[in-house]
Amino acid sequence: QVQLQESGPGLVKPSETLSLTCTVSGGSISTYYWSWIRQPPGKGLEWIGYIIYSGNTHYNPSFNSRVTIFVDTSKNQFSLKLSSVTAADTAVYYCAREGYAGGRRFDYWGQGILVTVSS
Amino acid sequence: DIQMTQSPSSLSASLGDTVTITCRASQTITNYLNWYQQKPGKAPKLLIYTASSLQSGVPSRFSGSGSGTDFTLTISSLQPEDFATYYCQQSDRTPWTFGQGTKVEIK
Repeated sequence: QVQLQESGPGLVKPSETLSLTCTVSGGSISTYYWSWIRQPPGKGLEWIGYIIYSGNTHYNPSFNSRVTIFVDTSKNQFSLKLSSVTAADTAVYYCAREGYAGGRRFDYWGQGILVTVSS
Repeated sequence: DIQMTQSPSSLSASLGDTVTITCRASQTITNYLNWYQQKPGKAPKLLIYTASSLQSGVPSRFSGSGSGTDFTLTISSLQPEDFATYYCQQSDRTPWTFGQGTKVEIK
């Protein structure tokens, strides 16, 4: 059974960089697409971007150039960096696997990690 | 970006009821439409992918239909564990986008 687990600081200061890591167990990261998704408190879901094991990435343009996703296949991990954060970046951040056979979908999710942007 | 609009935003239903949630895309997405269930404090769970395919392990009382721009999620014989928020999501073209959610509450 594939499991994903987010880790990283729960509090980030405004203008600084948010950094999170997702550790994948029960399966290799060297297949599938791997995404980050966030959910502000009480609000809906927003896709941030994905990476594939080769390192190819695709980001949501709404994040402009603030986002970077990278993969460490030796550790079966992928990571998110979001720069110049503001209070609007306060959210639960989820990592998820994108299944793709017969259509892309988020079939496995981490439990989520709340990141608060505050001084 | 493709905008996804769900209706209703919330509904009240009783155990055993049949519930239908609709999702409309701002442009055609063929059948690249997924449905998720989210309970408070938990990650979303995939229910239906490509409009009508039931994810492994999901009860058969959940079903999906539609193509093009209009889609529905139907829950037959509502059970206590089905009270949650439901989201649609398009995977036709990036950026992947979600509907705003439909909260299913107990009447």
